[in-house]
Amino acid sequence: EPEVTQTPSHQVTQMGQEVILHCVPISNHLYFYWYRQILGQKVEFLVSFYNNEISEKSEIFDDQFSVERPDGSNFTLKIRSTKLEDSAMYFCASSGGPLTGELFFGEGSRLTVL
Amino acid sequence: AQSVTQLDSHVSVSEGTPVLLRCNYSSSYSPSLFWYVQHPNKGLQLLLKYTSAATLVKGINGFEAEFKKSETSFHLTKPSAHMSDAAEYFCVVSPSANQAGTALIFGKGTTLSVSS
Repeated sequence: EPEVTQTPSHQVTQMGQEVILHCVPISNHLYFYWYRQILGQKVEFLVSFYNNEISEKSEIFDDQFSVERPDGSNFTLKIRSTKLEDSAMYFCASSGGPLTGELFFGEGSRLTVL
Repeated sequence: AQSVTQLDSHVSVSEGTPVLLRCNYSSSYSPSLFWYVQHPNKGLQLLLKYTSAATLVKGINGFEAEFKKSETSFHLTKPSAHMSDAAEYFCVVSPSANQAGTALIFGKGTTLSVSS
């Protein structure tokens, strides 16, 4: 069964460093998303991406964050100058079309900022 | 604005007994509603969805949910719990049924524990 793959599963970084989280969405999907979940809090939407551009982003997704689809298969989330409060589980998701909600999620990348 | 409230942070049941996970939503539009499940160290998996068709929705693993507009509820039920149902469950709302790329709004989650 096709699945969304995320790497790394866990990353520890020092405050102020840059982090790139990687995702390989399901191959024929067109819409890509990043969500995050801070420990003990809700899963929060960060950004959606379609046709090589951001289609929607939340207030959380400020200039510190960026997304890229560099090679047609990977979908990356870059976090510049990480802060302690960026520590969270980051989920990548993809969907095939207009049936919103049919999101397929990866297992998540846990980011710990020290 | 859309929001979703899961009324219980933790539910404990015995194997073989019914499961009820409660969810209330708030939406300015006719929403799409979903339940996702997250098993330990796994990604989020879609259990079922409501998108303005039948109000009683059947999902995977014997779960179902009923959309009640008058009560703004979308509670998740299962007649008989299994040990493998122990997981975190998220009630989710999307503002539009046919607009891809739209942000999903998650509830805080309900942890379901199942004892033998």
